[in-house]
Amino acid sequence: AAGVIQSPRHLIKEKRETATLKCYPIPRHDTVYWYQQGPGQDPQFLISFYEKMQSDKGSIPDRFSAQQFSDYHSELNMSSLELGDSALYFCASSETTGGYGYTFGSGTRLTVV
Amino acid sequence: AQSVTQLGSHVSVSEGALVLLRCNYSSSVPPYLFWYVQYPNQGLQLLLKYTSAATLVKGINGFEAEFKKSETSFHLTKPSAHMSDAAEYFCAVSERGNNRLAFGKGNQVVVIP
Repeated sequence: AAGVIQSPRHLIKEKRETATLKCYPIPRHDTVYWYQQGPGQDPQFLISFYEKMQSDKGSIPDRFSAQQFSDYHSELNMSSLELGDSALYFCASSETTGGYGYTFGSGTRLTVV
Repeated sequence: AQSVTQLGSHVSVSEGALVLLRCNYSSSVPPYLFWYVQYPNQGLQLLLKYTSAATLVKGINGFEAEFKKSETSFHLTKPSAHMSDAAEYFCAVSERGNNRLAFGKGNQVVVIP
């Protein structure tokens, strides 16, 4: 079965650079979520989109922005990268906004040097 | 806001012994509850979920969890640990109508031969 696809799997950036992470949800899933998991930490909710509109916002820094496109894929844009942004970034998708649990991608590991 | 508490960041269990991971939740409304497993350098895989149906929930890989409203708990168990159960386990809660997941700090399970 198709899963949530994230690209790239690994990304190395220097401080103050910009990074773009991409997420391709499971077909027919209309809701996308982004989470950040720092080293040894639990995942923290960043932002979500339903039908291409932002549906919820968590602890996402102002330097970060995200959007969901007409084909339902989503991109997380991170600017002015800091060392503390080094983390595993997960995307997840669900078919409805019913909160029934969703499917996570394998994540993008971002390393800021 | 909803939250979960997982005690004991590292849990050691002998192969063949009972696995018990404790999760207590806090939520102002009836919650949806989840257990996820994360293997090294991989994404989050859903083990099982409680969404107000049966209070005893069976998941994959022989795991099950019981929702106890009076104790605000959703503990995860497996009768007999296998070496392949070594991973990190996260309990998570979602409020109905609010789909962000709030994760616990996780339990790193080590299985001793």
